[in-house]
Amino acid sequence: DTGVSQDPRHKITKRGQNVTFRCDPISEHNRLYWYRQTLGQGPEFLTYFQNEAQLEKSRLLSDRFSAERPKGSFSTLEIQRTEQGDSAMYLCASSLGEGGTAYEQYFGPGTRLTVT
Amino acid sequence: AQKVTQAQTEISVVEKEDVTLDCVYETRDTTYYLFWYKQPPSGELVFLIRRNSFDEQNEISGRYSWNFQKSTSSFNFTITASQVVDSAVYFCALSRRDDKIIFGKGTRLHILP
Repeated sequence: DTGVSQDPRHKITKRGQNVTFRCDPISEHNRLYWYRQTLGQGPEFLTYFQNEAQLEKSRLLSDRFSAERPKGSFSTLEIQRTEQGDSAMYLCASSLGEGGTAYEQYFGPGTRLTVT
Repeated sequence: AQKVTQAQTEISVVEKEDVTLDCVYETRDTTYYLFWYKQPPSGELVFLIRRNSFDEQNEISGRYSWNFQKSTSSFNFTITASQVVDSAVYFCALSRRDDKIIFGKGTRLHILP
């Protein structure tokens, strides 16, 4: 396994369009996290899953955002009716989670979203 | 509430100099984890170290060392004999046990040849 992967790496979309990103975690990792990073800032937490259950959502995650992890493996993050303020790097991370001895979160390369 | 402060926005040093990146954190939890991540120009976050709140021993890994002091709520990172490849943004971060990570705003480090 080569680590966390994300697709696409870059996405340019027009305001008002919907976009969907995909994250494939490290295969044995139970927990999957989504973060958003804007220019000059540290990543900010959006939501996370323990297997297929979404355990927490940040207030940053407006009702235009939805995340799923239907089979406890890959996850998707959808943004509806995109706005220019959604332009950011969207990062996915995974960890061993409950029962694991390591709590390091390993990050993917991110999806850079540009809303024009 | 949890918070991480990296007061140094940007630092420039000449290659081979030592440099220390400061990190101060706030938390009411007794069990917590501290991290440092590196984000090179390529953009991917690279995990460097994790410490738990019960282990205040300093750690050294090659040219990298970390100083954790609970009394001052600090977790500073020192690079000895810096190299151009160390140029990156470095993030200090904090989490509860296997919970979301709270990141600082990062320190951009420039190593000048």
